Amino acid sequence: EAQVTQNPRYLITVTGKKLTVTCSQNMNHEYMSWYRQDPGLGLRQIYYSMNVEVTDKGDVPEGYKVSRKEKRNFPLILESPSPNQTSLYFCASSLGKAYSGGGHNEQFFGPGTRLTVL
Amino acid sequence: TQLLEQSPQFLSIQEGENLTVYCNSSSVFSSLQWYRQEPGEGPVLLVTVVTGGEVKKLKRLTFQFGDARKDSSLHITAAQPGDTGLYLCAAGTYGNKLVFGAGTILRVKS
Repeated sequence: EAQVTQNPRYLITVTGKKLTVTCSQNMNHEYMSWYRQDPGLGLRQIYYSMNVEVTDKGDVPEGYKVSRKEKRNFPLILESPSPNQTSLYFCASSLGKAYSGGGHNEQFFGPGTRLTVL
Repeated sequence: TQLLEQSPQFLSIQEGENLTVYCNSSSVFSSLQWYRQEPGEGPVLLVTVVTGGEVKKLKRLTFQFGDARKDSSLHITAAQPGDTGLYLCAAGTYGNKLVFGAGTILRVKS
């Protein structure tokens, strides 16, 4: 089954304790990205990756890191989490960039990771 | 301030009723998408509209892109409990970005 998986689905942690949220896709997609979803603000892109070893900042990258060592995996790293990073996080993948002047590529989203930082 | 304003924020209706949700902006977009997100899951793409004035139908769902490409609507006919979820619009900007609205939470009671 074609899918994007994320782990863990739920995480409660404390300020400053490093954590990693994993994301994996089995569709051989080039493009992957991370979003956070907050009430009243919609989905905001954190980082994206066009291919292996190619990553770039989205709209809200502060406090996050990513890596793309393999095509299928795109982990999100919070080196020193703070309470304002409490949010619902989604990983997504698509054949190409989510949107460019040439049109859309359908994004497939993971089930989400609900993170609480105390 | 949200680039895309969705209204209403929350809608609770009885099974069988019709409804319309809106996605508005002061900006012009080159295209627009609608997603549905069910509790505990990620958003799933419903439709992409690219031409001003375009109307697309997906069973009981009708999507319209405004003539001026600044707004869009989603109309659901005879809503069912399975339509319950968060409806998100997302627009492609001329700066090659995809921006999302905050969403409309729809609850259909049986």
